[in-house]
Formats: sequence, C-alpha cells, structure tokens
Amino acid sequence: GQNIDQPTEMTATEGAIVQINCTYQTSGFNGLFWYQQHAGEAPTFLSYNVLDGLEEKGRFSSFLSRSKGYSYLLLKELQMKDSASYLCVPGRNTDKLIFGTGTRLQVFP
Amino acid sequence: EAGVTQFPSHSVIEKGQTVTLRCDPISGHDNLYWYRRVMGKEIKFLLHFVKESKQDESGMPNNRFLAERTGGTYSTLKVQPAELEDSGVYFCASSQEVGERSSTDTQYFGPGTRLTVL
Repeated sequence: GQNIDQPTEMTATEGAIVQINCTYQTSGFNGLFWYQQHAGEAPTFLSYNVLDGLEEKGRFSSFLSRSKGYSYLLLKELQMKDSASYLCVPGRNTDKLIFGTGTRLQVFP
Repeated sequence: EAGVTQFPSHSVIEKGQTVTLRCDPISGHDNLYWYRRVMGKEIKFLLHFVKESKQDESGMPNNRFLAERTGGTYSTLKVQPAELEDSGVYFCASSQEVGERSSTDTQYFGPGTRLTVL
C-alpha cells in the first residue's frame, strides 16, 4: 500500500518563498518525484530525488530524507504562474506511479 | 525533441458508443503508461506497456477498456461501450528504460484527452 500526506492548499505572495512538505509511506520505494499540474493540464515533471539531501534546479529545490519518509519542495521568488497543484509522488520498483490529490498553491500579487 | 502527444484532445460521445484514444510516446521510450483522472479525484494508474507487452494492467476498470501497443510504438485505448462514469481526462506517459532497479524511470506526461460521455 501507499500513503501520501501533503497539505491540501497553500497560499503565498508573489516574490516570496514557499515550502511544500510531504510525508509518505510506500513499499518498494525508489526515490521521490515532484510534479506540477496546472488546472486542466497534464502533470509536468519537476524533480526526482533518489538520494538523501537537497537538489536545486533554478527557483525550485527538492529535499529528501529516506529514513524519515519526508520530502519538501521549495519554491523561491514566486511568480503568478507558479499557481498550480504540486504532486508528491513516491517512485516504486513497480514503475507505476500512485498519485495523491497534491497541494494546491495559490500565488497572490 | 517532441513530447508525448495524445489524440484527440477532447471527445464527446453518447453512452453506448465507442471511443478510441491514441498516444504517441517520446521517441525511443519503451515504457508507456495510461492514467485517468475523473472529476475531483486523483490521477489513477490504468496500465503499463513495456514495448508491445502489457507489464501491468491492474488498474484497468473492466473489460470495456482495451489497450494495445502493436509494434511497440504508439498505443490506443478503446472504450466500448462507453458509460457515464468513464468521463474524465485520460493521460498517457512514457519513460525511457534506464535499467537501474535502484531508481524509477521519470515519466513524462502527454496533454491528455478529455472524454465526456453523455
């Protein structure tokens, strides 16, 4: 089975920094994906962490602690276009992805 | 490099009719996945192809759904006959077989087909 826990909704102001936390429990864990999904669109790959630690990619960074079953996505210098749902998705050795409902982020001017 | 493409983008059909959705994966990607999102719910896995073989079809809702991937390139998902509860957005994703069992291959999603059954 699999369990993913992340906040349902978050709000932030343009230019600010926001951290979206995720805790997970899954069998056959093979790293942690973050996807971004704008309303009515397909999920877009943001990051994949296999090893513990922080990975930075432009304005977005992702952190993983395998021992704690914990990850976060850090978004800096928020822009209006960052308003979207952010999906924390544990990778599994079965390859199929199991999605939760994600965190809906709203960025205000 | 072209991404995953899906056709059609929208389809509106009546209950009892047949619809066929098509997915063209990223060139060279052996893995192809179908997912579905119904209104207000999370994205759910339907099935997984490795080349032309079905690796996992545990998410297929019932025998009204038939997926094929002849030749290991594009895939089709046929719904026959369609029911009201089949309405939703059908996503296709593909990934490259990296071959490392210590990591999961990154899946890239297509834009989806929005299916409405009336």
